Amino acid sequence: RKEVEQDPGPFNVPEGATVAFNCTYSNSASQSFFWYRQDCRKEPKLLMSVYSSGNEDGRFTAQLNRASQYISLLIRDSKLSDSATYLCVVNERGFKTIFGAGTRLFVKA
Amino acid sequence: DTAVSQTPKYLVTQMGNDKSIKCEQNLGHDTMYWYKQDSKKFLKIMFSYNNKELIINETVPNRFSPKSPDKAHLNLHINSLELGDSAVYFCASSQSPGTSYEQYFGPGTRLTVT
Repeated sequence: RKEVEQDPGPFNVPEGATVAFNCTYSNSASQSFFWYRQDCRKEPKLLMSVYSSGNEDGRFTAQLNRASQYISLLIRDSKLSDSATYLCVVNERGFKTIFGAGTRLFVKA
Repeated sequence: DTAVSQTPKYLVTQMGNDKSIKCEQNLGHDTMYWYKQDSKKFLKIMFSYNNKELIINETVPNRFSPKSPDKAHLNLHINSLELGDSAVYFCASSQSPGTSYEQYFGPGTRLTVT
């Protein structure tokens, strides 16, 4: 089993749609969780951290379920500019950062 | 004003050569990283340095040797390049090692070994 697993997609959605991505992680001792965004041929950039209580940033909502070792990202009212690869990131004890392989999103007009 | 910079941006070289990639951050961070992103876009950590000391070495072949002359710089030297080394190499930095801090990435160095 991979340490961090994501559905690679691609997800093809129309503008204005709501889309959800999921991620599972294998190490129950993992300590912190993030979603990063990577545009084509660019570097990854932090989208948001993920907290146990769930957190929201504008159109983006992230949730964490430690019992199920599951992280989600919900994007509401998708924009063309949301087209990118979304990377689920898990930090383990001992400073190790593990990236998922990413989920590709295409938002169409 | 670039936060994390890498040079060169592109590197094309032949098998067997030795090459270096340089990374600098001006964020005042204590921790720096090297990642490799292969053709399948999978981003994998290679090394992590905190205050110039190596804290993570993820079973990378010893042909790869990182060097941190000071907290703001982390260079990567690769000996005897192989075809499988072709990838994009990203440098990153964070405020502290571990778990809660955002990592800032450089623009990447696209290495092609022929």
